Amino acid sequence: DVKVTQSSRYLVKRTGEKVFLECVQDMDHENMFWYRQDPGLGLRLIYFSYDVKMKEKGDIPEGYSVSREKKERFSLILESASTNQTSMYLCASSPTGLAGSKNIQYFGAGTRLSVL
Amino acid sequence: KNEVEQSPQNLTAQEGEFITINCSYSVGISALHWLQQHPGGGIVSLFMLSSGKKKHGRLIATINIQEKHSSLHITASHPRDSAVYICAVHSTGNQFYFGTGTSLTVIP
Repeated sequence: DVKVTQSSRYLVKRTGEKVFLECVQDMDHENMFWYRQDPGLGLRLIYFSYDVKMKEKGDIPEGYSVSREKKERFSLILESASTNQTSMYLCASSPTGLAGSKNIQYFGAGTRLSVL
Repeated sequence: KNEVEQSPQNLTAQEGEFITINCSYSVGISALHWLQQHPGGGIVSLFMLSSGKKKHGRLIATINIQEKHSSLHITASHPRDSAVYICAVHSTGNQFYFGTGTSLTVIP
């Protein structure tokens, strides 16, 4: 079974703090994604990566950065957390290149981040 | 306008009922996904479709490419089916678009 592991289920941070959300997958997938999920808005893509050290902006990258130093790990960074970044954050990975048409995404359990 | 629209947003059913959740999309797609999100956040991929119909247990997913529409059916619904069901498409432009989800509650 594919496993996508997010380091924390719940996280509480203060405004202005630097926050790291970690995601690790164990199936040698090329692609990894970070989403946030908010009521009424569904899942929105923040950043994705299709290879080590490669990253692409998604729909809402502002206020976030990412790091992919190793294939299995994709980190989401909030440089200076703000209250509007309180959300559920979901990491996903998928096995084929972006040009492929049969990409199933495997999701982690999510990290519920509260910024006070 | 969202590229993926789901209906209904909320659905309550009695145990045993047949349930249908609908998804319409406006972009060209290479695949459509149905996802299930349990309380607490974890998301499971139920189906990936590019044509026709797929069945897994009590779950059936259909897609009509010409009409840009997909349905997820649950037969003989059970309280453990209570979850949020999300439709997502992988567009031909290599983007993923997600519906806002359908919250299903099955009452014993």
